Amino acid sequence: EIVLTQSPATLSLSPGERATLSCRASQSVSDSLAWYQQKPGQAPRLLIYDASSRATGIPARFSGSGSETSFTLTITSLEPDDFATYYCQQRSNWQGTFGGGTRVEIK
Amino acid sequence: QVHLVQSGAEVKKPGASMKVSCRASGYNFDRYFLHWVRQAPGQGLEWMGIFNPSGGRTSPAQKFLGRLILTRDTSTSTAYMELTSLTSDDTAVYWCATFGPRGFDYWGQGTLLTVSS
Repeated sequence: EIVLTQSPATLSLSPGERATLSCRASQSVSDSLAWYQQKPGQAPRLLIYDASSRATGIPARFSGSGSETSFTLTITSLEPDDFATYYCQQRSNWQGTFGGGTRVEIK
Repeated sequence: QVHLVQSGAEVKKPGASMKVSCRASGYNFDRYFLHWVRQAPGQGLEWMGIFNPSGGRTSPAQKFLGRLILTRDTSTSTAYMELTSLTSDDTAVYWCATFGPRGFDYWGQGTLLTVSS
């Protein structure tokens, strides 16, 4: 089973700052990687699919990059609404495992 | 409009089984795989397994081998997730979700399972 490792576990930043979140896979997932945002009590919201494609309605400040085993989610300038937990998910080989999450909190 | 509507909250005793339904509408049920995901209180998202409504092939996560049963009723476009031998560690919100190309991504509303004696 493919394991996804996200880092850091927590990111303490101020509004307007840049956030860089990492997701590493234990083996290649090609570009079959998605990023989600989740707030308490809500279902996850898709931000990025296929490693770098923004989902419908997602602001341009969110971008994804990477392939194979190393991926990055970047939020160029944090808005107050962006403070949440972010998960990566791989969807290859009949699997859909999630990373452990990165919590982006207000500094 | 795509909708996945799940059955309601359940309370079960340790050792029992639970079964959640997920009724799909607004798209071709057979076209995209269905995933089951759960989240224990204060914890991260945990992928449980995948189900192909066209043909019925399933692949559970290793952790749930022998305990997770995924089925469907094509006549009603409904998928079912049954989890057996419940323990308190299975207390969580359970979601069905369907993912397809070009950002096709829909989740049910979630079903809370509480396992308590």
